Amino acid sequence: EADIYQTPRYLVIGTGKKITLECSQTMGHDKMYWYQQDPGMELHLIHYSYGVNSTEKGDLSSESTVSRIRTEHFPLTLESARPSHTSQYLCASSAHRSGYTFGSGTRLTVV
Amino acid sequence: GESVGLHLPTLSVQEGDNSIINCAYSNSASDYFIWYKQESGKGPQFIIDIRSNMDKRQGQRVTVLLNKTVKHLSLQIAATQPGDSAVYFCAEIPAQAGTALIFGKGTTLSVSS
Repeated sequence: EADIYQTPRYLVIGTGKKITLECSQTMGHDKMYWYQQDPGMELHLIHYSYGVNSTEKGDLSSESTVSRIRTEHFPLTLESARPSHTSQYLCASSAHRSGYTFGSGTRLTVV
Repeated sequence: GESVGLHLPTLSVQEGDNSIINCAYSNSASDYFIWYKQESGKGPQFIIDIRSNMDKRQGQRVTVLLNKTVKHLSLQIAATQPGDSAVYFCAEIPAQAGTALIFGKGTTLSVSS
């Protein structure tokens, strides 16, 4: 079944650690996105990609980085996690301007 | 900056009532609008969309209305059920190329039986 997967679902990590949040989709979508969402709040775009080797920063400033080496994979990396990075991170993909499919998210807590 | 916003952070209704969730947007260049439903612990799920050349679009138990004059979107849910309890977001896509979904603040819908 075509879908989008995020791992891990939950992550508690110490300050200063490097972490990578995984996102994979099996729909062959060219466009992929990372959004950050605090509890009960709106989603803010932090990174997006329109294809392999293409990445752009979103509207919300983020200390994270992304890569797009394969169409189906769009990992997000934090080189040195801080408590201010505590949030939910949602990955999405789309084949065109609309029709976004979202993953279930990674809930990150930095202690 | 320009953003999409919802009028009320919470809405409580009784099962069987009709629900109306509102959203105001400020980017007149947006040409596509989407309503999403987000349940606890899940990502947003598509409910219904509407293009800027339309005023109304109906789905199963849901209707989206677009008023471009006052830049207002609404989502109407008929015969609201407990399973409709969730956070609802409107989102817009500006017409210019290379832009992604812009989300508004959510409305938490609580349905009591």
